[in-house]
Amino acid sequence: NAGVTQTPKFRILKIGQSMTLQCTQDMNHNYMYWYRQDPGMGLKLIYYSVGAGITDKGEVPNGYNVSRSTTEDFPLRLELAAPSQTSVYFCASRSSGTGDNEQFFGPGTRLTVL
Amino acid sequence: QKEVEQDPGPLSVPEGAIVSLNCTYSNSAFQYFMWYRQYSRKGPELLMYTYSSGNKEDGRFTAQVDKSSKYISLFIRDSQPSDSATYLCAMSPLPAGYSTLTFGKGTMLLVSP
Repeated sequence: NAGVTQTPKFRILKIGQSMTLQCTQDMNHNYMYWYRQDPGMGLKLIYYSVGAGITDKGEVPNGYNVSRSTTEDFPLRLELAAPSQTSVYFCASRSSGTGDNEQFFGPGTRLTVL
Repeated sequence: QKEVEQDPGPLSVPEGAIVSLNCTYSNSAFQYFMWYRQYSRKGPELLMYTYSSGNKEDGRFTAQVDKSSKYISLFIRDSQPSDSATYLCAMSPLPAGYSTLTFGKGTMLLVSP
């Protein structure tokens, strides 16, 4: 299994541009998450999904959109990029149900908005 | 008061030292507690998972939860240079399958040979 993969690894955007961060998992997990991590600030939840067709806002959703048309993919869309969106973005997935249910994280996408 | 407080460090120790990493929290509803390890420029990975109060041991790692004090700890025995990473605590009111996680800011640990 490749686990959780994210593309691109790095990206520089100009203010006002848009882009989609891709996330794919091959573990057949129902739950998927998008986080952003600013230096020294821990992980902030942007959006999450409990299954195909179902998404919900996290703590910091403004400026982002998501969709979940398949179990495997959970893209994050940035419209009108702003310098405040400069961050490292992590996608994660986990299986449903109880138990320790580890969230498996991707390697991250480093985004700079200038 | 933030929901989860964690000293960002860095915490520098010599190889072989016992390391203590801590988080405090304010939400008494938190019942499930996790420690994630994050190497530089990598995604976090789950290290320990505990429920309610008590201790859990896994090799050189011990997780401790004191719900009465709203305080959790991660102890690392015989620390190694390979333990150098950022350690994030995370917690939730329900099993990880039914709620999202609240993360601390992370503590950077540096273990020198």
